[in-house]
Amino acid sequence: QVQLQQWGAGLLKPSETLSLTCAVYGGSFSGYYWSWIRQPPGKGLEWIGEINHSGSTNYSPSLKSRVTMSVDTSKNQSSLRLRSVSAADTAVYYCARVSSGENADYWGPGTLVTVSS
Amino acid sequence: QSALTQPASVSGSPGQSITISCTGTSSDVGDYNYVSWYQQHPGKAPKLMISDVSNRPSGVSNRFSGSKSGNTASLTISGLQAEDEADYYCSSYTSSSTLVFGGGTKLTVL
Repeated sequence: QVQLQQWGAGLLKPSETLSLTCAVYGGSFSGYYWSWIRQPPGKGLEWIGEINHSGSTNYSPSLKSRVTMSVDTSKNQSSLRLRSVSAADTAVYYCARVSSGENADYWGPGTLVTVSS
Repeated sequence: QSALTQPASVSGSPGQSITISCTGTSSDVGDYNYVSWYQQHPGKAPKLMISDVSNRPSGVSNRFSGSKSGNTASLTISGLQAEDEADYYCSSYTSSSTLVFGGGTKLTVL
């Protein structure tokens, strides 16, 4: 059974860098893309980007200038860094496994990140 | 990239069928059979209900079905049950090698 666990700082000040990590247990890390998706309170889902085991990435055009994703294949982990955060970046951040056809078939529990001075 | 267009809300009585639409463009929904549908209950992570326009992942009830015509994809839920009350999101792969979500539809079971 594939399980995703995620962690990172939940409270940031404006201009700081958001940093989250997602660990994959019980399944293969290679052969999939690993996506980050966020959801502002009371709003819809927004795709941030994805990365595969070899480090190939695709990012949302609206966030591309501030986003960096990376992987640590020795630990089956993917990471998200979002620079220069503002209140508009306050959201629940999810990591998800992406299978063929861009289907997010396994999701982490989500991490609420609040940006406030 | 613009979000896919979904109705903000739909409702139906137990046992009835409802359909949620998801309208994109020829650069996403219309050009790829990579449309997914997700169910999200309050406070929970989304759950994949339909993949690749019309495929049901293992464990998903056959009351859920998906289809596509042109730039519009649809999710149909038949035999509505109280547990189906949730938010539903569509997503599509795009010609820019990105993913775009719909704005979400709140399903109310009356």
